Amino acid sequence: DAGVIQSPRHEVTEMGQEVTLRCKPISGHNSLFWYRQTMMRGLELLIYFNNNVPIDDSGMPEDRFSAKMPNASFSTLKIQPSEPRDSAVYFCASSLRVSSNSYNEQFFGPGTRLTVL
Amino acid sequence: AQSVTQPDIHITVSEGASLELRCNYSYGATPYLFWYVQSPGQGLQLLLKYFSGDTLVQGIKGFEAEFKRSQSSFNLRKPSVHWSDAAEYFCAVGAGLWNSGNTPLVFGKGTRLSVIA
Repeated sequence: DAGVIQSPRHEVTEMGQEVTLRCKPISGHNSLFWYRQTMMRGLELLIYFNNNVPIDDSGMPEDRFSAKMPNASFSTLKIQPSEPRDSAVYFCASSLRVSSNSYNEQFFGPGTRLTVL
Repeated sequence: AQSVTQPDIHITVSEGASLELRCNYSYGATPYLFWYVQSPGQGLQLLLKYFSGDTLVQGIKGFEAEFKRSQSSFNLRKPSVHWSDAAEYFCAVGAGLWNSGNTPLVFGKGTRLSVIA
C-alpha cells in the first residue's frame, strides 16, 4: 500500500509568490493533519480535517495560509503571498478515525521542504 | 494545554551501549503517547505507542518505552544501540478532548541521537 503522498518534495520560490502544497492520504483514512516543522518551533499542527471537514485551524499562522480538502483523497495547503519566514518542512499525516472512543496512529508523509527567498 | 518536554537536545552514545531518551508530558486525562523517529531528510516513522494496558510497550527496531503515570513520563530505551539508530527522536501526546477520537499530536522538541564507534 502506498503511504501518504506529498508533492512537491522540494519547493523554492520567491517572496510574494503563491505556493501550493499537496497531500494524498492513505486510502480509507478519514482524518488528515497538516504540520509544520521549523528549527525554532519544532513540529506544530496547522490544521486538521475529519471526513473532509476542517475541525481545528487555530494553528494556521495567518490569513495568508489556507487549506482545503475537496474530497477524501486530496488536500492542499496554500500560502499566498509567501514570505521568507514560511520556510519550513510541511508534513501531511493521515489516520483512521473509527469512533470517539478509539485512537489510531497517524502516518506521516515524507514532507515538503519549502524555501522562500 | 497539553505539552511534551524532552529535556535532552542532543545525546551521544557509543555503538553497543544502552540508550534512554527522556520524555515528560502534561495532560489531564489518560494520555495517548507516541515515539517517532526522523532520519535526516525523511518523514516521521512510528517506533511505538501507548494507549492503555501494560505500561511497558515494545516497538520496532528493538526499542521499548515505559509509561509511568506517577512521573508523567514515557522514556524510550534500547539495550544496545546500532550506528543506524542515529536520528532525531520525537515524543508526542495525543491532544484534544479525551472522547473525540483521533486528535492532533503535540510534539516535544526532539532529541538528536549521535552514535560513535
